[in-house]
Amino acid sequence: SSELTQDPAVSVALGQTVRITCQGDSLRTYYASWYQQKAGQAPVLVVYGKNMRPSGIPDRFSGSSSGNTGSLTITGAQAEDEAVYYCNSRDSIDHHVVFGGGTQLTVL
Amino acid sequence: QVQLQQWGAGLLKPSETLSLTCDVSSGSFSGFFWSWIRQPPGKGLEWIGEISHSGTINYNPSLKSRVLVSVDTSKKQFSLKLTSVTAADTAVYYCARGLGIWSPAIDYWGQGSLVTVSS
Repeated sequence: SSELTQDPAVSVALGQTVRITCQGDSLRTYYASWYQQKAGQAPVLVVYGKNMRPSGIPDRFSGSSSGNTGSLTITGAQAEDEAVYYCNSRDSIDHHVVFGGGTQLTVL
Repeated sequence: QVQLQQWGAGLLKPSETLSLTCDVSSGSFSGFFWSWIRQPPGKGLEWIGEISHSGTINYNPSLKSRVLVSVDTSKKQFSLKLTSVTAADTAVYYCARGLGIWSPAIDYWGQGSLVTVSS
């Protein structure tokens, strides 16, 4: 199966660390990519590959992987990090792209 | 800075064909996969399909029978057609750039186009 499973909602206190996870069989083959989407805006890529960040993404965003689980960690969450976070991957057989259902992050 | 500018009809009737085009300005057109992704109101992201500059195509299996993605490398444009639309196809449609077949990462997105299907 190429499905990716994310927790629907996660909360974190301002300045604390939070981990958002993504589970799926395809993550044994591909690293998850992670996207931040704020209301009314297009998604923004924040982490991809083993642990790479596009230019302009703060280094408090990091990625990791273990088995069938990919994780996005925000170290020292800020108020502006409140958003929906999506993971994606590729199906390990026919390589089509799949997205997780998204995790709503609330910064308290 | 890569920019993706998309356009197409925003209001369709059931059974009509959705048609969107995306223009890529700045940056290389080759070496990447050009994707279409949609997001129904209040819901998550759904990948529709992708095409490389050389014409390699992948589709979402659940939409494959109704989708056609094409590319015009001379214009640095790619297009989406989705046939026999229903209300379930109402969504914001994004064009985007993917890093390649060996990566799921999508690093540049268009501004999004709301397509509404209603009789």
